[in-house]
Amino acid sequence: DAGVIQSPRHEVTEMGQEVTLRCKPISGHDYLFWYRQTMMRGLELLIYFNNNVPIDDSGMPEDRFSAKMPNASFSTLKIQPSEPRDSAVYFCASSLYAGTGSYGYTFGSGTRLTVV
Amino acid sequence: AQSVTQLGSHVSVSEGALVLLRCNYSSSVPPYLFWYVQYPNQGLQLLLKYTSAATLVKGINGFEAEFKKSETSFHLTKPSAHMSDAAEYFCAVKGSQGNLIFGKGTKLSVKP
Repeated sequence: DAGVIQSPRHEVTEMGQEVTLRCKPISGHDYLFWYRQTMMRGLELLIYFNNNVPIDDSGMPEDRFSAKMPNASFSTLKIQPSEPRDSAVYFCASSLYAGTGSYGYTFGSGTRLTVV
Repeated sequence: AQSVTQLGSHVSVSEGALVLLRCNYSSSVPPYLFWYVQYPNQGLQLLLKYTSAATLVKGINGFEAEFKKSETSFHLTKPSAHMSDAAEYFCAVKGSQGNLIFGKGTKLSVKP
């Protein structure tokens, strides 16, 4: 398996523009997570899905952020409109069904977003 | 609710010295615990995980961690640090919803 694939690796955009980040999880994984990492706030969970259904979006900072998972092999995180404070590295991760299991996450390489 | 606390946001050791990164957890149920490593400009990689099978867990790159229930700890160690170990290390506990709850991370620097 190629692992969790994120695109693009780097994105530079102007304030006010729409940004779409993409993620392809590992085939067969039931959970998908979106994280944001900054120097100031560390690693923050934004939202996660189980079997394509959003379970907890309490970490989404504001209405400008939205995430979808139309099928088991694809998810997007959209920011509209983008602001300079959204500049961060965004990670996607996937996992097998957890429940009482011991599965960890597999992370993608991240998308480094810069909003100017 | 589950949580982890990593003591020390920065740790610096000399090459060849012992590495000790501290993690304490809080959990109302037997925990599943993890250590992840993040090298510069990369995603997080799983170092090792505790699943209740054995209290001493060995991971990749010579790292190991010991689960101590009495101390609610899961500290990460490596007998001899290498320059390539310089990275940020995250402790995590499995939450009740199946998600991982991460600590704030510890940056390890290795001096020549």
